[in-house]
Amino acid sequence: QLQLQESGSGLVKPSQTLSLTCAVSDGSISNGGYSWSWIRQPPGKGLEWIGYIYHSGSTYYNPSLKSRVTISVDRSQNQFSLKLSSVTAADTAVYFCARAVVQGVPRAFDSWGQGTLVTVSS
Amino acid sequence: QSALTQPASVSGSPGQSITISCTGTSSDVGGYNYVSWYQQHPGKAPKLMIYDVSNRPSGVSNRFSGSKSGNTASLTISGLQAEDEADYYCNSYTNSDTLGGVLFGGGTKLTVL
Repeated sequence: QLQLQESGSGLVKPSQTLSLTCAVSDGSISNGGYSWSWIRQPPGKGLEWIGYIYHSGSTYYNPSLKSRVTISVDRSQNQFSLKLSSVTAADTAVYFCARAVVQGVPRAFDSWGQGTLVTVSS
Repeated sequence: QSALTQPASVSGSPGQSITISCTGTSSDVGGYNYVSWYQQHPGKAPKLMIYDVSNRPSGVSNRFSGSKSGNTASLTISGLQAEDEADYYCNSYTNSDTLGGVLFGGGTKLTVL
């Protein structure tokens, strides 16, 4: 059973960069049948897709966040990471990492991390 | 405003059936069979309930079913149980460059009366 675990700073100051890592266990991040995603959920609100990365390293980002987002993969550590720059209070959310089954494009998110709350505040 | 439209809330009594709709466009729901549904209990991660419009992952109750007609997908829960009370989100791939590759609905809160 694949497991995903988010880690990183829970409190970030405005204008700084949010950094999170998702450790993947009981499965290889290099499996070509999947992409690796970040999804967030502001308190009391719905899910927002941030972006994903394929095992090849190709990335796709939500256009509304694209200028501030970087997703990268570390195959040696079997993990992938999120960096979101110039954060504001609007970036306060629970951040989930997730695996998507792909067939050229993402079909569904079949495994999720437990989520980690990131608060943007001075 | 979410790109996929869901009702904010639905309710039903134990044993009844309910249906949650998810309306998009021909660039997403109507154009691809990559619609999925997620159940989220408070404080928990979403759980995949339906993928590829109507397929259930192993371990998901057959009380959950999905369908699609045109640009609208639907999730039906039959034989409602108290444990079904949760938020439900639909998801679809989109070929719209302005929206990116992945869309979520705004979510529907299911109340079991």
